[in-house]
Amino acid sequence: GAVVSQHPSWVICKSGTSVKIECRSLDFQATTMFWYRQFPKQSLMLMATSNEGSKATYEQGVEKDKFLINHASLTLSTLTVTSAHPEDSSFYICSARGSGGSYGYTFGSGTRLTVV
Amino acid sequence: GQQLNQSPQSMFIQEGEDVSMNCTSSSIFNTWLWYKQDPGEGPVLLIALYKAGELTSNGRLTAQFGITRKDSFLNISASIPSDVGIYFCAGAGSGNTGKLIFGQGTTLQVKP
Repeated sequence: GAVVSQHPSWVICKSGTSVKIECRSLDFQATTMFWYRQFPKQSLMLMATSNEGSKATYEQGVEKDKFLINHASLTLSTLTVTSAHPEDSSFYICSARGSGGSYGYTFGSGTRLTVV
Repeated sequence: GQQLNQSPQSMFIQEGEDVSMNCTSSSIFNTWLWYKQDPGEGPVLLIALYKAGELTSNGRLTAQFGITRKDSFLNISASIPSDVGIYFCAGAGSGNTGKLIFGQGTTLQVKP
């Protein structure tokens, strides 16, 4: 149990375009989802926390207008990188947590974004 | 903000050797988790610790939640080549957000 599916696994886009990344909990209801970014040879840095049906809470220094997060249902959260630039190229990873923390923190397989 | 200090940063060991890595924090955490990440993949949970002083094993892996709630260690016994990867500790503090803070990671290389 506790499977999180993240798509796409990789994407290449042109500067100025927007990219949407999906994160789905397949066998549990994710009341909270987290979005991380990871640069090469570095740790995971939390970008934002989203609870179903409410606005996401962004970490300090993360532009909420650039990284749009939607958590419209208990099984789906999306991260949209708007007007992407090469410096947005990174590995983006989502994590989902069930109600009461019963499923701990399950991570998706990540999305490699390359902006050219 | 909360930070986790993980050490060592990297290890290069011989197959069959035991490995130990640890994380410390200036803040108290209510949950300590240990993950392994392979290149191009998301982290995979190895061991979860929810109680101060808890010692938990998962096969050749053993982890402990420090009694002060500010540290944790992970031991791998009799390492094998497939243990290669990056190991992260992560802590969740108090409050309702439940957000995880990650350590810097320990890169493990195993020589057959």
